[in-house]
Amino acid sequence: GQNIDQPTEMTATEGAIVQINCTYQTSGFNGLFWYQQHAGEAPTFLSYNVLDGLEEKGRFSSFLSRSKGYSYLLLKELQMKDSASYLCAVLPNQAGTALIFGKGTTLSVSS
Amino acid sequence: DVKVTQSSRYLVKRTGEKVFLECVQDMDHENMFWYRQDPGLGLRLIYFSYDVKMKEKGDIPEGYSVSREKKERFSLILESASTNQTSMYLCASSLGTGGSPLHFGNGTRLTVT
Repeated sequence: GQNIDQPTEMTATEGAIVQINCTYQTSGFNGLFWYQQHAGEAPTFLSYNVLDGLEEKGRFSSFLSRSKGYSYLLLKELQMKDSASYLCAVLPNQAGTALIFGKGTTLSVSS
Repeated sequence: DVKVTQSSRYLVKRTGEKVFLECVQDMDHENMFWYRQDPGLGLRLIYFSYDVKMKEKGDIPEGYSVSREKKERFSLILESASTNQTSMYLCASSLGTGGSPLHFGNGTRLTVT
């Protein structure tokens, strides 16, 4: 079967660093996506990893280890506006299938 | 910027009604998707489409059908709405290549009473 696991909730304070983990077991692998979703809004794309290693984009970085079926999203210099749900999603095959999403991690940032 | 537009933000329907949820994208994307999102369950795929008149079942297609007569429009149909179909429905589109991200509409919150 297909399974994507991530923690349900996390809390952190402004200015801190937080790491949101995601583990996956899927029938195939053609990339992993991270999305951010603020309450009441649509998910928005953050990052895409298909090869092992770290991809950095400003305050956000995403890491992938295909052999371990593991990814994390790293958020630095946290701001209040980073309070949101973070969704990990896997593309099992290159063509013909859609993204499979984890249940999301709700991050609360306090001052 | 890609724009995915869902026809209604909020919708209230009665049990047994036929419900149409419309989605239009303006970036000539090949792929279109319908997901529902429920607390504690995350995003679950209902149906998707690679091309006009093509459709594929997702993980939870029961009670739903879809129509894609034009490339830019993907409709989700609830043949006979039931209370367990009360949910947030999200439409998305993407290019045909594997690494292309999904672009989501703002969602339709459907309540079936």
